[in-house]
Amino acid sequence: DAGVIQSPRHEVTEMGQEVTLRCKPISGHNSLFWYRQTMMRGLELLIYFNNNVPIDDSGMPEDRFSAKMPNASFSTLKIQPSEPRDSAVYFCASSLTSGGLNEQFFGPGTRLTVL
Amino acid sequence: GIQVEQSPPDLILQEGANSTLRCNFSDSVNNLQWFHQNPWGQLINLFYIPSGTKQNGRLSATTVATERYSLLYISSSQTTDSGVYFCAVANTGGFKTIFGAGTRLFVKA
Repeated sequence: DAGVIQSPRHEVTEMGQEVTLRCKPISGHNSLFWYRQTMMRGLELLIYFNNNVPIDDSGMPEDRFSAKMPNASFSTLKIQPSEPRDSAVYFCASSLTSGGLNEQFFGPGTRLTVL
Repeated sequence: GIQVEQSPPDLILQEGANSTLRCNFSDSVNNLQWFHQNPWGQLINLFYIPSGTKQNGRLSATTVATERYSLLYISSSQTTDSGVYFCAVANTGGFKTIFGAGTRLFVKA
């Protein structure tokens, strides 16, 4: 079975440009999580969805960040406009949440560099 | 919110040595996972262990939920065990997941 798929794997862009990161969760999973990893702040949860509905977006740093999950097999994280401090590795994870259980599986990440 | 502390922050081992990594958390949890982030950045699931004890080869883990800690044991360490080990927890009643800062392990040949 395919794991969580993320694209692109690497993205280099200039400040002010729009960036869109993509994620395909594991088939059958009903929850999806977006994380950001930086040296300074470690791994932080940005937002998570359950059954395609955003449940908690309190980790989204600013209004420049937005996330959508139009269907069970696809999610996007968009940054507009991007800034150099957004440079980080962005991970997507998915899980089958049932009865309070939530074992998450991570994608390979997207390394974003904003110049 | 819930606090997660991992210790030690850094660990250097000679190949073949054993080690214990610790994760303390400040509130009751219903989800706890251990991950290994390898030198290529991949996050690899080691254990899903909100309570009890599990073993997988040279690795084992124990979570004592009532005392709010979890331990990861690595026996007969190998150079491929190098990387960062993360503990991640979520509060009872939700899926908001908090990661610890990690333990950075280097195993020398």
